[in-house]
Amino acid sequence: SAVISQKPSRDICQRGTSLTIQCQVDSQVTMMFWYRQQPGQSLTLIATANQGSEATYESGFVIDKFPISRPNLTFSTLTVSNMSPEDSSIYLCSVEDLGTESYGYTFGSGTRLTVV
Amino acid sequence: QKEVEQNSGPLSVPEGAIASLNCTYSDRGSQSFFWYRQYSGKSPELIMSIYSNGDKEDGRFTAQLNKASQYVSLLIRDSQPSDSATYLCAVTPKGATNKLIFGTGTLLAVQP
Repeated sequence: SAVISQKPSRDICQRGTSLTIQCQVDSQVTMMFWYRQQPGQSLTLIATANQGSEATYESGFVIDKFPISRPNLTFSTLTVSNMSPEDSSIYLCSVEDLGTESYGYTFGSGTRLTVV
Repeated sequence: QKEVEQNSGPLSVPEGAIASLNCTYSDRGSQSFFWYRQYSGKSPELIMSIYSNGDKEDGRFTAQLNKASQYVSLLIRDSQPSDSATYLCAVTPKGATNKLIFGTGTLLAVQP
């Protein structure tokens, strides 16, 4: 299975500031996905990031709030901009894992963000 | 109606019993179905995927898919306390095969 390194693992940020989350994959992947898991909720897809093109955002998420970079096939960043307490969530990156015996999607370890 | 629905639980089973977790989905065109396990404070980890009607077995886990009734289930045989976690059902909708839509998860508690 793909191995994803995600950092930071957690952070406490002041409202109005921005945080950039990084994901590094140990193999080249076409698409990387960014999810949000709000407290007590399930995972919601924020956007899909392809190398060499702009990310595709899901309904309710906009580029100005969640800019994404995808400079190469193993790395992506998600920035949470102008944060408010409502942005307090766990943010996870994910990749399609074609190498697994049971095909699926592998997740990074997550970034637990608290906005105060 | 939620796109993917699960009973939030908790589902409590004694050690050694069979745990049965259920999930229904609204998009009849959904193509792929996944079960993830998420321990508290951890990220989801894939247990099984299933695409065709019927059963798929992997060790103590069996996934069951019934597209006509739009439900997918996960059976855990010989449940262990280490199986205690939240189990998330996820589906890929028709026309968006790389997008996972998750249910809210079922909390399973296996009692020693």
